[in-house]
Amino acid sequence: QKEVEQDPGPLSVPEGAIVSLNCTYSNSAFQYFMWYRQYSRKGPELLMYTYSSGNKEDGRFTAQVDKSSKYISLFIRDSQPSDSATYLCAMRPGSARQLTFGSGTQLTVLP
Amino acid sequence: NAGVMQNPRHLVRRRGQEARLRCSPMKGHSHVYWYRQLPEEGLKFMVYLQKENIIDESGMPKERFSAEFPKEGPSILRIQQVVRGDSAAYFCASSPTRGSGYGYTFGSGTRLTVV
Repeated sequence: QKEVEQDPGPLSVPEGAIVSLNCTYSNSAFQYFMWYRQYSRKGPELLMYTYSSGNKEDGRFTAQVDKSSKYISLFIRDSQPSDSATYLCAMRPGSARQLTFGSGTQLTVLP
Repeated sequence: NAGVMQNPRHLVRRRGQEARLRCSPMKGHSHVYWYRQLPEEGLKFMVYLQKENIIDESGMPKERFSAEFPKEGPSILRIQQVVRGDSAAYFCASSPTRGSGYGYTFGSGTRLTVV
């Protein structure tokens, strides 16, 4: 079993829809949680980060962490075609610097 | 302020040759991380370095792979005697010495193709 599980999709939604992306994990030591966006043939770009449980909002993006369920989510409101990319969740324990990534969810927002 | 610079962007090597991938961290960043991404997979941690020190190489294959981050110059990931299975995208990330509790800045990657 992988430490971090992420539905690979692909996920296709119409422009303006609310998108929900999720990851589950098994390592209870994970404390820092991140979401990266990766366009085709590009490097990952940090979108959101959260420490421990709770919500964080930045513009159209909201990240949620539920440590009791070992479940994290990223919501995208008013999705745009430019949001079409692969979304990767990542996390790490407080004691280590290396990140453990999910396999990524491919999102397409149709105009 | 330039981001993390990786070169070359694309690298083609024949089986048995050596591949050298270079990474210059962001200005002011002294921590470098290498990750490998296989097709349709997420990024896998390989090695974490500071200047002149390997801090954690738990993700590095035991043979043929090595990494360094010298006092001067970029970090180098070296793959000796490449095989087809080494074909992947290799990403470098960097973070500052302090206050790096969250995400890191990634470069655009080097895509290695072994023929």
